[in-house]
Amino acid sequence: DAKTTQPPSMDCAEGRAANLPCNHSTISGNEYVYWYRQIHSQGPQYIIHGLKNNETNEMASLIITEDRKSSTLILPHATLRDTAVYYCIVRPRPSNSGYALNFGKGTSLLVTP
Amino acid sequence: GAVVSQHPSWVICKSGTSVKIECRSLDFQATTMFWYRQFPKQSLMLMATSNEGSKATYEQGVEKDKFLINHASLTLSTLTVTSAHPEDSSFYICSTWGGVTRDEQYFGPGTRLTVT
Repeated sequence: DAKTTQPPSMDCAEGRAANLPCNHSTISGNEYVYWYRQIHSQGPQYIIHGLKNNETNEMASLIITEDRKSSTLILPHATLRDTAVYYCIVRPRPSNSGYALNFGKGTSLLVTP
Repeated sequence: GAVVSQHPSWVICKSGTSVKIECRSLDFQATTMFWYRQFPKQSLMLMATSNEGSKATYEQGVEKDKFLINHASLTLSTLTVTSAHPEDSSFYICSTWGGVTRDEQYFGPGTRLTVT
């Protein structure tokens, strides 16, 4: 899997947009960008994934640069419950369901009142 | 969506005893399940891949005789920590692929193991 680089921590004011960057300069053509988050003492939660087009769902938006070497996860209106560690993971789409996600250190997002 | 459950959510045991953790996929069949552990302030580390009806595949550095994995059905995988020691205290999380297109990896809520 391609290596990803994320800032170790970020702060965001409640109600504002949280923009979490991720660099993946060695991404290959068949690799997707996945985002997960882990709230303290819980299992990771899937957020969103994409290949090259921007994606949006009820939780977040994913913006992938044209060269695919970086991406940004956007939480449009952060709430206190969004405080968590956010993981950006790059890997091929699981045509083989026996292939597990590998987690880096992620970004610890603190949403403040 | 897919749901993965774990039992127990937390357990305290004495050094030298064994502990079994169950992982269930509640609304779909999981031929493959993954077991991770997470030490405080660290990221998740993959321990092993559990395959229904066959032997588990362990990551380098994980003792297969200490962490026994059984995946006897398509909805249940178990992890048994044998002869537990305080250094085995950790957060254990199971996971499997699911979703309509099976491109989302779903995680259980985790089991907090404390060995005294």
